[in-house]
Amino acid sequence: GENVEQHPSTLSVQEGDSAVIKCTYSDSASNYFPWYKQELGKGPQLIIDIRSNVGEKKDQRIAVTLNKTAKHFSLHITETQPEDSAVYFCAASIAGSQGNLIFGKGTKLSVKP
Amino acid sequence: NAGVTQTPKFQVLKTGQSMTLQCAQDMNHEYMSWYRQDPGMGLRLIHYSVGAGITDQGEVPNGYNVSRSTTEDFPLRLLSAAPSQTSVYFCASSWAGDADTQYFGPGTRLTVL
Repeated sequence: GENVEQHPSTLSVQEGDSAVIKCTYSDSASNYFPWYKQELGKGPQLIIDIRSNVGEKKDQRIAVTLNKTAKHFSLHITETQPEDSAVYFCAASIAGSQGNLIFGKGTKLSVKP
Repeated sequence: NAGVTQTPKFQVLKTGQSMTLQCAQDMNHEYMSWYRQDPGMGLRLIHYSVGAGITDQGEVPNGYNVSRSTTEDFPLRLLSAAPSQTSVYFCASSWAGDADTQYFGPGTRLTVL
């Protein structure tokens, strides 16, 4: 079955720097890759997603890149701000099981002012 | 729209007790899922439903029951709670036309003593 590996588990950056979180997946049939942000005591919130027919997607300071050949995708946050501090999860769709996702184990991002 | 709501927010049970975690959504989403989140484990799928009257097992279904009598509600039942079920539980929903894009509730933190 699908497996998603996420690195690093913790990431600390200075305000204004960029942050990059990487995920790899095992099932080449997966075609949907969302990123979620989870603040303390809250549920995961979808921040950006990408489908397998696209290589890159941007939304203001956030971007996601996908390399289907290597089966990895990355989250890029530029000009980080203290409010970006949270746990970020990547996920991949399960082929043949629409609406179900396999999640990475999360990255705790800390942005120091 | 309230989105996805979950009750209770916190719950403490003794081993062997039963309880039901409630989940409701007002977005007329066909797909609903239950995940559990444990430290360092990401989110793991317990059960899911693609519509009223239809449920199926996810990655970690043992010890949990679900039913889907209406589109809006998807309760999760613990028949005999065990300490291994101490976790944070999240409900999610999505529209059948874009089933992979899931919206999460705020979670229920369950402790089993």
